[in-house]
Amino acid sequence: SQTIHQWPATLVQPVGSPLSLECTVEGTSNPNLYWYRQAAGRGLQLLFYSVGIGQISSEVPQNLSASRPQDRQFILSSKKLLLSDSGFYLCAWKSQRTSWGEQYFGPGTRLTVT
Amino acid sequence: AQSVTQPDIHITVSEGASLELRCNYSYGATPYLFWYVQSPGQGLQLLLKYFSGDTLVQGIKGFEAEFKRSQSSFNLRKPSVHWSDAAEYFCAVGNFGNEKLTFGTGTRLTIIP
Repeated sequence: SQTIHQWPATLVQPVGSPLSLECTVEGTSNPNLYWYRQAAGRGLQLLFYSVGIGQISSEVPQNLSASRPQDRQFILSSKKLLLSDSGFYLCAWKSQRTSWGEQYFGPGTRLTVT
Repeated sequence: AQSVTQPDIHITVSEGASLELRCNYSYGATPYLFWYVQSPGQGLQLLLKYFSGDTLVQGIKGFEAEFKRSQSSFNLRKPSVHWSDAAEYFCAVGNFGNEKLTFGTGTRLTIIP
């Protein structure tokens, strides 16, 4: 069966510091991968998605970036965090076997920028 | 562009009562529809999905949803809620050839004894 991992689970970082969040998927190959953010009390905002290694689509202009160095690894980064980057970050995957398939979500990372 | 509306931000129901959460979508062709549930501090879990066929779909945890094309709706129902159903519920829509889902803003469900 497929499993999706995210780490760290919780992170507290000062403004201006760098960020690296990691997401890995097990039990599948060549998945679509997604990064979402949830601000407090708000819905999901799609940040990035990837259909293959090195292929990243950005949905929202911001100081965040994403990379996919391996087939089942998706990394969210920032060089300098802003207070507005605080939130709950969710990674998700979807099988590429069907173009309409459901997405499966990881447990999330709670980021607090102080 | 496709969109999803969940008109109820917060719903409170008594334990054992029935539940219906509303979801309306906007999309020209046949959509693919999903309901997810999120407990506090957790990721989203898929409750059920509709692609085609029978318009009444059954999901996990005793939930069901009905696709009504004429009303552009995909409402989630449960005959009798349990305290453990307290969570945030998200409706989402996708379509053929689009790698992304569009999510509603969510409905927070509170259960009172």
